[in-house]
Amino acid sequence: DGGITQSPKYLFRKEGQNVTLSCEQNLNHDAMYWYRQDPGQGLRLIYYSQIVNDFQKGDIAEGYSVSREKKESFPLTVTSAQKNPTAFYLCASRVWGERQPQHFGDGTRLSIL
Amino acid sequence: GQQLNQSPQSMFIQEGEDVSMNCTSSSIFNTWLWYKQDPGEGPVLLIALYKAGELTSNGRLTAQFGITRKDSFLNISASIPSDVGIYFCAGRGTSYGKLTFGQGTILTVHP
Repeated sequence: DGGITQSPKYLFRKEGQNVTLSCEQNLNHDAMYWYRQDPGQGLRLIYYSQIVNDFQKGDIAEGYSVSREKKESFPLTVTSAQKNPTAFYLCASRVWGERQPQHFGDGTRLSIL
Repeated sequence: GQQLNQSPQSMFIQEGEDVSMNCTSSSIFNTWLWYKQDPGEGPVLLIALYKAGELTSNGRLTAQFGITRKDSFLNISASIPSDVGIYFCAGRGTSYGKLTFGQGTILTVHP
């Protein structure tokens, strides 16, 4: 089945540790996105990538890093510099063009031990 | 930056009632999208709107792209318990720009 797969579903991080969230899509979408969702708030954009080997900072990129080495993969690393990492992280993708909506994965919930 | 104001923040209704929620923007959008999110899941696209004045239905859901291009509304008719969830609007200012999301409307439906 085509879709966007995020893993793991739940992730725990110790203080001072980097963790990487996986996002894979088999929809042949050009663009991929990472959002952070906190309770009672809308989605905030962390990073996005329009094309392989290129990515742009979103509104809240500090403390995060990404890579886009393959079209189908866009992993997000939450670094130790992110002081408040507990949140629900959502990956999305879309065809890069007019009239193309974003579609989302099922999310990863990150918590601090 | 662009801001979206989504209202109401929450709604408590009886099964069978109709629901209406809306979003307003501080700037013009070329695209309006409406998503529904169930607890612990990712948002699912309900309706996409690409033209001012456009009115689109998806089953019991109807959404409209405002004429001013600064607002959109979503109506749900004859609500059922499975309509429970968080509804988000999202807008894009240019065809290739980033999406801006509203804060969400939490819908509770009492049987």
